[in-house]
Amino acid sequence: GAGVSQSPSNKVTEKGKDVELRCDPISGHTALYWYRQSLGQGLEFLIYFQGNSAPDKSGLPSDRFSAERTGGSVSTLTIQRTQQEDSAVYLCASSLVTSGSFYEQYFGPGTRLTVT
Amino acid sequence: GQSLEQPSEVTAVEGAIVQINCTYQTSGFYGLSWYQQHDGGAPTFLSYNALDGLEETGRFSSFLSRSDSYGYLLLQELQMKDSASYFCAVRDRLLDNYGQNFVFGPGTRLSVLP
Repeated sequence: GAGVSQSPSNKVTEKGKDVELRCDPISGHTALYWYRQSLGQGLEFLIYFQGNSAPDKSGLPSDRFSAERTGGSVSTLTIQRTQQEDSAVYLCASSLVTSGSFYEQYFGPGTRLTVT
Repeated sequence: GQSLEQPSEVTAVEGAIVQINCTYQTSGFYGLSWYQQHDGGAPTFLSYNALDGLEETGRFSSFLSRSDSYGYLLLQELQMKDSASYFCAVRDRLLDNYGQNFVFGPGTRLSVLP
């Protein structure tokens, strides 16, 4: 299909609630990445999937964050017991997995999360 | 630790040439890439360098010096639409279990004036 899609585009939630963010990568891209971007800031790397496997989860900010990927395609990022500091734009990207292609990541439009 | 430094803001006029620098400190190094992000938009890939030297893609060029841990993005014939934030990013150490770790710089906001 087209590019990387993410849903929802905007999410407002109350502190303490759980949220689930979805990413649908470009077909054929086996590498998938999650980032977080606060207003006016750079991108903070969260996690990388190669297929359905996330070899390292140390980039996740806390144990309230988890991510999974199924079927080598769709990925979900779940934040439990949301806090106000979780408010940010959550970006998903995908790429091929040849050595050069890791650098050419295609980003989705992001999910803007606001925790009130 | 890992860190990348970029100027926070750069201003130039239409038609001019501007250079955005990026210095990095990482535990490993596998390449430097550049992304453009317009306000409210998603980052889009511009270029990447794995080896020393200059890579040219149309009006944009990117340079890397691994010995100096330094790179830059060169934008020529500036247009108003080039007003955006520009991020350098490195692929840091390749984790033993084939994980990846990408680190983005804080971004440089380019304003192109008429």
